[in-house]
This record gives sequence, C-alpha cells and structure tokens, in this order.
Amino acid sequence: DTAVSQTPKYLVTQMGNDKSIKCEQNLGHDTMYWYKQDSKKFLKIMFSYNNKELIINETVPNRFSPKSPDKAHLNLHINSLELGDSAVYFCASSRGTSTNTGELFFGEGSRLTVL
Amino acid sequence: GQQVMQIPQYQHVQEGEDFTTYCNSSTTLSNIQWYKQRPGGHPVFLIQLVKSGEVKKQKRLTFQFGEAKKNSSLHITATQTTDVGTYFCAGGAQKLVFGQGTRLTINP
Repeated sequence: DTAVSQTPKYLVTQMGNDKSIKCEQNLGHDTMYWYKQDSKKFLKIMFSYNNKELIINETVPNRFSPKSPDKAHLNLHINSLELGDSAVYFCASSRGTSTNTGELFFGEGSRLTVL
Repeated sequence: GQQVMQIPQYQHVQEGEDFTTYCNSSTTLSNIQWYKQRPGGHPVFLIQLVKSGEVKKQKRLTFQFGEAKKNSSLHITATQTTDVGTYFCAGGAQKLVFGQGTRLTINP
C-alpha cells in the first residue's frame, strides 16, 4: 500500500500544452509539498500546504497552480508548458509543524518532458 | 534566503573505502535531515539531527551536527555497492531546503 502516490509517472508533451499531476497520501499527514528536481538533481521546494491551506509559495511562475481539495491530496496544474519545465516533480508529505517539518515521505516522482 | 551547500558534488570510491559528504548552511539550523536517493528513485529519509554537537550512528553510517548548528556531515565506513546513490542534507524549520547532493559511485 503506497504511502505517497503520484500520477502519472511519466508525462511527455508539447510546448504550450497544459498538464496536471496528482498526488495522494494515506499517512494521515497534515502537510504536503511539491518539489522540483532538475537534470542536475537539485531539489527545490515549490509549494507547501498544511490542512488545505497554502503556507509556502516559492518564486514559481504563476503558470504553476497547486490545488489541495483535502489534506490527503495535492495536485499541480501547469499551464503553457515551456522547455525549462522538464524535470522530475516530487510530491511529499510530513506531519509538519511550524518549527519542524519532520521526516518527509516522497512519492516516486513524475517525470515531465516538454518537447 | 537560507542556503545549504554540500560538497563534494561527486565522489567515486573503491568498494570498501570510506566516504564523507559535508553540508554547510548560511544560517543556524533548528535541525538537519539526511536523505538518500538511489538512481532512478526518490529521496528516502535517513535521519534527523536536532541537538548541537549531536552524533548518531546507523550501522556503517555516522551523522554529525556541528556545535554551531550550521554544518553537518555523513560518513560511511567501508562502502558497499548498495550505498550507491545521491545523499542530500536538508535544513530548515517550516521549509526544508536541500543541499545540492553528493553523488556516490562505487567501483566493485
């Protein structure tokens, strides 16, 4: 039973298209995250939600829009895809408090390739 | 903003040799975490250090948190091929900032 699951695992699309990645966690955690890992393996936080409320919004183009319908789900929608959006997007969750994120549990990642 | 720097970026060793990766933060950290990412996999939590000067061991892995809580290290004794992967440190309170990672490859 996968703790943090993301779909799809692979996504190949043309520039200018819109795509979504979905994430679900069954750990009962309050906090969920989106991280982007580029080709150099650098992991950068994009967004964080706590109990459906956006708490971290890094300097990310507003083409990226996260949505959390409930605390077990965090989706990522990307409009007008660009070549530079190609990366692996990881969803993660944690118990998370304001002073300690706690252990992050990562999903298996969604590899997005923009042609 | 907070920055976490990690060195070296790459390390290649012979199986059985030791390996160390170092992590430095531009600010004092409330805690530091370490993750391992196997090739093609996702980051997996290894450990969290909270106290100044803390040292923790997991079998052949030794983790240290500096006295000033601005640096940390991970040392692997007698590497095995199963240790291959990228090791990340990460620090921060509400927001976990990851270092660039150290990619470890091993010659069997």
